[in-house]
This record gives sequence, structure tokens and C-alpha cells, in this order.
Amino acid sequence: QKEVEQDPGPLSVPEGAIVSLNCTYSNSAFQYFMWYRQYSRKGPELLMYTYSSGNKEDGRFTAQVDKSSKYISLFIRDSQPSDSATYLCAMSVDGGFKTIFGAGTRLFVKA
Amino acid sequence: EPEVTQTPSHQVTQMGQEVILRCVPISNHLYFYWYRQILGQKVEFLVSFYNNEISEKSEIFDDQFSVERPDGSNFTLKIRSTKLEDSAMYFCASRAGGGNQPQHFGDGTRLSIL
Repeated sequence: QKEVEQDPGPLSVPEGAIVSLNCTYSNSAFQYFMWYRQYSRKGPELLMYTYSSGNKEDGRFTAQVDKSSKYISLFIRDSQPSDSATYLCAMSVDGGFKTIFGAGTRLFVKA
Repeated sequence: EPEVTQTPSHQVTQMGQEVILRCVPISNHLYFYWYRQILGQKVEFLVSFYNNEISEKSEIFDDQFSVERPDGSNFTLKIRSTKLEDSAMYFCASRAGGGNQPQHFGDGTRLSIL
């Protein structure tokens, strides 16, 4: 079983839709959970950073962590064509060292 | 906003040659990282560096790889004898000290081995 599983998509939605992106993981020691956005030929750009379980909201983005189910989600409200990118979930045990990434989900938002 | 910068953006090297990838982390950050992303695959951890020493490395980071912080601003990744399978994007990241701080990434160096 992979440490972090993420559906690679692609996921295609119309402009204005609510997007739901998800990852599951197997290592119960993970405590720090991140979502990064990556445009083609660019580095990962941090979107959300959460510690342990719960919800975190930032503008149109909401991150959810359910440690009991080993499941994390990113919701994008009122999606825009500029949101078209690859979304990477990532997680680490102690926040300071190794971060494990999911495979990334390619998102297309159609105008 | 401060950012991690990487040079060069694209490096082409003959197989067997040594290559050095350079990174300037965010200035007050204390933790430094290298990751690799082979085309079409996921981002993979290579190594983390703190207090002038390697704190953790993956099985990918074998004896042909080394890292160095030669001065107060640069952080380098050296690949001693490149192989075709080293072709990838290499990302540098840095993180501030203290708990609960995320890693910030540069835009990467695309390494092409011929």
C-alpha cells in the first residue's frame, strides 16, 4: 500500500463549480498536512497547511483533515479557469523533515 | 514576498559528468531540502539539511549525491557521475525555524542527461 494515495484525474469542471480533491494515507504518524498547487514547469506553491485534524479555511479554499479515517480533502469554491493546475497533497510526521507527496490531481476549470 | 530561487532553470549535461544545482533559500530559513520530480511522476524527497548537516535522506540519495551550504546564502546539490535516470526536475525548498512551519519551494532546475 502506498503511503499517500491521490487520484491523478484529470478532473474537469465548469467555472463556478465546487471542486473536491482528496487523499488517503496509511501512516498514522502523519501530523502535518499540506496542499500545494503546481502549474506546468513551476514549483509547488503552498495553498494550505494544517496540523492534526480539523478544518481550515482561507478565502475560496477549505482544507479538511480526518485522522481517524486517514483522509484529507481540499475544497475550492467558485472555481476559476486560473485554478486549472495540478494539486498535490503532502504530509509529514514532524513538520521539519521528510514530506511525502501524493501523485497530484490535474484540475481543469472550463470557462 | 520572499522566495526560494534556483539556478540554472535548465541544465543539460553529458552522462557521467558532474553537475551542481544551486539554490538560494529564503533568508531567515533554517531547514533546507531537495526534492526530485521525474516527468509525469510525483515529487520525491531526497534530503533535508539543518544546522550544517544532513538530518534525513531517502534511499534515492545515494553516494553519488551530496549537499552543501558553502556560505550563508547558497544551498547546493551535487550529482557526481550523472546517469540517464537522473533526468528530472529538482526542487529546492526551505522552512523557517520553530515548530509548525511549512516548506516553500523554488521553481526548480530541469536536469537533462544526454
